[in-house]
Amino acid sequence: GQNIDQPTEMTATEGAIVQINCTYQTSGFNGLFWYQQHAAEAPTFLSYNVLDGLEEKGRFSSFLSRSKGYSYLLLKELQMKDSASYLCAVSGSSNTGKLIFGQGTTLQVKP
Amino acid sequence: NAGVTQTPKFRILKIGQSMTLQCTQDMNHNYMYWYRQDPGMGLKLIYYSVGAGITDKGEVPNGYNVSRSTTEDFPLRLELAAPSQTSVYFCASRPGQALDTQYFGPGTRLTVL
Repeated sequence: GQNIDQPTEMTATEGAIVQINCTYQTSGFNGLFWYQQHAAEAPTFLSYNVLDGLEEKGRFSSFLSRSKGYSYLLLKELQMKDSASYLCAVSGSSNTGKLIFGQGTTLQVKP
Repeated sequence: NAGVTQTPKFRILKIGQSMTLQCTQDMNHNYMYWYRQDPGMGLKLIYYSVGAGITDKGEVPNGYNVSRSTTEDFPLRLELAAPSQTSVYFCASRPGQALDTQYFGPGTRLTVL
């Protein structure tokens, strides 16, 4: 079967660093995406990984290990506006671009 | 560019009623998708299209139908609304290159009573 697991909730302090983990088991792999979703809004793209290693984009970094079926999203210098849900999604096919989503991790940033 | 637009934003249906959720994109994207998101959950794929005239089922197609007569439009039809279809519906589009991300519309919040 196909499965993507993320923690349901996390809490962190403003200014700190938080790591959101994602493990996956899918029948195919063409890339892993991270999306941010604020309450009652649409998901917005944060990053993607195709090859193993770390991709850095400002305060956000994403890591992938294909052999372990594992990724994480690292958020540095947390701000209150980072309070949101973070969705891990796997693309199994380049032909269709279909994404399989995890349930999302709700991050609460406290002062 | 307006991106991906969805109408209506909100709708309340009675059990057994039908409706069409509209989705339009002005980015000339080949690929379009319909997802539903239940409270506290991730997105589940309902239907998708890789181009005008081509549609296929996703993970949870039962109770829904789609059509894709133009590149821009990808409407989602609910024929006999049921309480289990209460959800937030997101439409998304993607250009078509291998690693293109999907761009999401603002969503339609549907309640079936």
